[in-house]
Amino acid sequence: GQQLNQSPQSMFIQEGEDVSMNCTSSSIFNTWLWYKQEPGEGPVLLIALYKAGELTSNGRLTAQFGITRKDSFLNISASIPSDVGIYFCAGAHIIQGAQKLVFGQGTRLTINP
Amino acid sequence: NAGVTQTPKFRVLKTGQSMTLLCAQDMNHEYMYWYRQDPGMGLRLIHYSVGEGTTAKGEVPDGYNVSRLKKQNFLLGLESAAPSQTSVYFCASSWGTGQYFGPGTRLTVT
Repeated sequence: GQQLNQSPQSMFIQEGEDVSMNCTSSSIFNTWLWYKQEPGEGPVLLIALYKAGELTSNGRLTAQFGITRKDSFLNISASIPSDVGIYFCAGAHIIQGAQKLVFGQGTRLTINP
Repeated sequence: NAGVTQTPKFRVLKTGQSMTLLCAQDMNHEYMYWYRQDPGMGLRLIHYSVGEGTTAKGEVPDGYNVSRLKKQNFLLGLESAAPSQTSVYFCASSWGTGQYFGPGTRLTVT
């Protein structure tokens, strides 16, 4: 099946640092999504991107939909302890209105205070 | 609103046993999904539904069946559990932007 390559797999940073992670695919997607998952919980949607080249912000988070529609990145500025978690990218194909998501392997973010 | 709820939260099965996982959503969403998440991996789509009475296969459907008899409920069944089905199972629903996920069911098959 399709696979997304998400990197890095893990990050260890100091509080206040900026974070950058990205996702690449061999296939084109018409929607890119970024989720955050905390232990024992389901993923929570952070940002949704619908157009190639689109740059969208949600507070300290910024994500972009690559021009080729095969990649996306997520930046977190001025990290804080509550940013700890696993971040997943997901590419979506829309089938009869439903979103068939393909997820990356995740980036585990650890922050040293 | 409770959002998306899943029952049970934990379950241990023996190989060959059957069980049903229940997902319920109170957001009147048309679309519902079942995923599994294995250690160190992202979620993989098992089955999904585009509306009441409809189901469709996802990426990893083998060994699972689903039913959507009511719009608010989406059931995932394992007829004969295998150790390879040990995983965390997530249900989600959507209408438009993104998907809303439940808290997950941790299933262990021994």
